[in-house]
Amino acid sequence: DTEVTQTPKHLVMGMTNKKSLKCEQHMGHRAMYWYKQKAKKPPELMFVYSYEKLSINESVPSRFSPECPNSSLLNLHLHALQPEDSALYLCASSQEEGSGANVLTFGAGSRLTVL
Amino acid sequence: GQQLNQSPQSMFIQEGEDVSMNCTSSSIFNTWLWYKQDPGEGPVLLIALYKAGELTSNGRLTAQFGITRKDSFLNISASIPSDVGIYFCAGRTFAGSYQLTFGKGTKLSVIP
Repeated sequence: DTEVTQTPKHLVMGMTNKKSLKCEQHMGHRAMYWYKQKAKKPPELMFVYSYEKLSINESVPSRFSPECPNSSLLNLHLHALQPEDSALYLCASSQEEGSGANVLTFGAGSRLTVL
Repeated sequence: GQQLNQSPQSMFIQEGEDVSMNCTSSSIFNTWLWYKQDPGEGPVLLIALYKAGELTSNGRLTAQFGITRKDSFLNISASIPSDVGIYFCAGRTFAGSYQLTFGKGTKLSVIP
C-alpha cells in the first residue's frame, strides 16, 4: 500500500460547527504532515508529527487542532473556522522527518468550504 | 526562510512539443523534488534528485540537480494532453530541521 488516504474529500461547514479531517497511511512512515493549499498557490506547511509527537506547528491558529492517535492516523480537528480558512487541506507522510533524503507522499486532499 | 523562484508561471504549448521549466534559489539545497498536481488532487512525485549534477529520467520527463545546488530544471518531451496540470519544484535543506520549500508552480496547458 503506497497511498495516503484522506476523508472526507469535500466538507462544507458553518463557522460554529466542529468537524474533523482524517488521514491514514500504511506505508510504515513515521512522519506525517498537514498542509493548507489555496487556489493557484503552493502547499503551506501547518503541522508535522514525528513518531506520533507534534514536532512543528507553523504558528497555526488554535481553531485548527491536530491529533495523531497512532503511527498510521492523523486527524485535523476544526472549530470556529472563518471563511478565509476555505482551502484544500493536504495530508502527507514520509519515512522520517529528520532525513534530508525524505520524499513526501501526499493524499488527494480534503476540499473545505467554510460558510 | 528559503525562497524558490519557479519559472515560467504558466505556459501554453502544442501537443508534441517539448517543455522546460526551472527553479532557482539563492540558497543551497541538498534535495530537489518535482511534483505534478492535477485539479482537485494532491501533488504526485515525479522525480527526486539527491546529488549535485544528477540527471534523472522518468519516461518522457527528465530533471537535473544543478551543479551549484541552487537550481533544478524539469523537461517534458513530446507533450501529450494528460501532461496538463501544475508542476511544483520543492527543495529541501537543513535549517534547524529538514523541511520542504515549494516553488510557486508552473501551470502547463497543452493544446491538442
